[in-house]
Amino acid sequence: EAGVTQFPSHSVIEKGQTVTLRCDPISGHDNLYWYRRVMGKEIKFLLHFVKESKQDESGMPNNRFLAERTGGTYSTLKVQPAELEDSGVYFCASSPLWGTYGYTFGSGTRLTVV
Amino acid sequence: AQSVTQLDSQVPVFEEAPVELRCNYSSSVSVYLFWYVQYPNQGLQLLLKYLSGSTLVKGINGFEAEFNKSQTSFHLRKPSVHISDTAEYFCAVEGYVTGGGNKLTFGTGTQLKVEL
Repeated sequence: EAGVTQFPSHSVIEKGQTVTLRCDPISGHDNLYWYRRVMGKEIKFLLHFVKESKQDESGMPNNRFLAERTGGTYSTLKVQPAELEDSGVYFCASSPLWGTYGYTFGSGTRLTVV
Repeated sequence: AQSVTQLDSQVPVFEEAPVELRCNYSSSVSVYLFWYVQYPNQGLQLLLKYLSGSTLVKGINGFEAEFNKSQTSFHLRKPSVHISDTAEYFCAVEGYVTGGGNKLTFGTGTQLKVEL
C-alpha cells in the first residue's frame, strides 16, 4: 500500500510569506496527525483529525497556523504569515480509527523561514 | 501528561559492538511505549512497541527493548550493530485510552553513529 505522502519535501520562504503543506494519509486511515520538530528539540504534537473533524488541536502554536482536512482525505497545514521560529520539519502521520497503536509517518516537510 | 527523557543525544559505537539507547518516561496514567527510527532523508519508522504482556519486546532489524515499570524505563538494545543502523532514534509514549488514536510524546532523540 502507498505510505503517507507529504509535499513539498522542502520549502524555503521569507518571513511574512504564506506556506501550505500537504499530507496525503494512507487510504482508509481516519486518524491524521501533524507533528513538528524544531531543530535540536523533540518532535511535538500539533493536532489530530478524526476524519474531517479536529479531535485535538492543543499543540497548535498560535492562530497563524490553520489546518484543514477536506472530506476526511488529505490535509493541509497553512502558516500565514510565517515567522523565523516556524522553521523545522513538519511530519504528518495516519492510522486506522481503531485498534492500532503507533502510526505511519510521512517523510516530512522541511520548512525554512529566512 | 507524559514526558520522555533520552539522556544521550549522541552514541558512537563500533560496528558489531552492542549498543543500548536509554529512555525514561514519566506519566500519571498507563502508557504505551514506542521506539521510532529516522534514517537520513527519510520519515519516522516504527521500530517496536510495548502495549502489554511480556516486558521484552522485539522489533525490526534485530532491535529489542525492555519495559521496566518500576524504573519507568524502556531502553533499546541491539547485541551487534551494523553500519546501516546509523540513524536517529526516538522514544515515545502514548497515554492509555481505549481504542488508541492518541497523541505521542517524544523524547529529543538519540543519534546513533556506527563506525568501522
